[in-house]
Amino acid sequence: KAGVTQTPRYLIKTRGQQVTLSCSPISGHRSVSWYQQTPGQGLQFLFEYFSETQRNKGNFPGRFSGRQFSNSRSEMNVSTLELGDSALYLCASSTGLEFSPEQFFGPGTRLTVL
Amino acid sequence: GDSVTQMEGPVTLSEEAFLTINCTYTATGYPSLFWYVQYPGEGLQLLLKATKADDKGSNKGFEATYRKETTSFHLEKGSVQVSDSAVYFCALSDRGNNNDMRFGAGTRLTVKP
Repeated sequence: KAGVTQTPRYLIKTRGQQVTLSCSPISGHRSVSWYQQTPGQGLQFLFEYFSETQRNKGNFPGRFSGRQFSNSRSEMNVSTLELGDSALYLCASSTGLEFSPEQFFGPGTRLTVL
Repeated sequence: GDSVTQMEGPVTLSEEAFLTINCTYTATGYPSLFWYVQYPGEGLQLLLKATKADDKGSNKGFEATYRKETTSFHLEKGSVQVSDSAVYFCALSDRGNNNDMRFGAGTRLTVKP
């Protein structure tokens, strides 16, 4: 079974630009969660999508948005990039079912904002 | 709200030493508990899990027991190897809240030969 894939693996952008990151979950998984990981703040939850609907949301500004497609693939968009958005963005997939809560992570997208 | 607190690192051990990384949690519902490991340049990998009180999760020589009375899920390994050097994250998932996942801050482990 293929694991979670994220593209691209590395990105360099400048302040004010926008960026879109992509995540393909494990086949059969309907839930995709996004996290931001930085040395200072650790692992912070952005949002979770389940069956194309946002089900949970963390405390991030509206510049961070996401969506999920009918095949469960998900994209995350960050508009008007700031230097502080430099981070490793991790995507995790799960079945989304109550009694199968474990999440499986992709390798991440390393975003650098200059 | 739900939260996870784990011991601060970094932790440095010699090869074959005994490892304990403490983790305690606060939850209002019925959490499942996890340990994840992150190697340099990679995403998080699920190391082990426990879904109810007194369950013991184990994998690759690592163990952790779900202790409801002390709200703890400490990670242990009897003899660490250099290849165990990584960052370890304790996490909980609250079944009563759409499996909302909360992570601890992570503990960096370095094992020296």
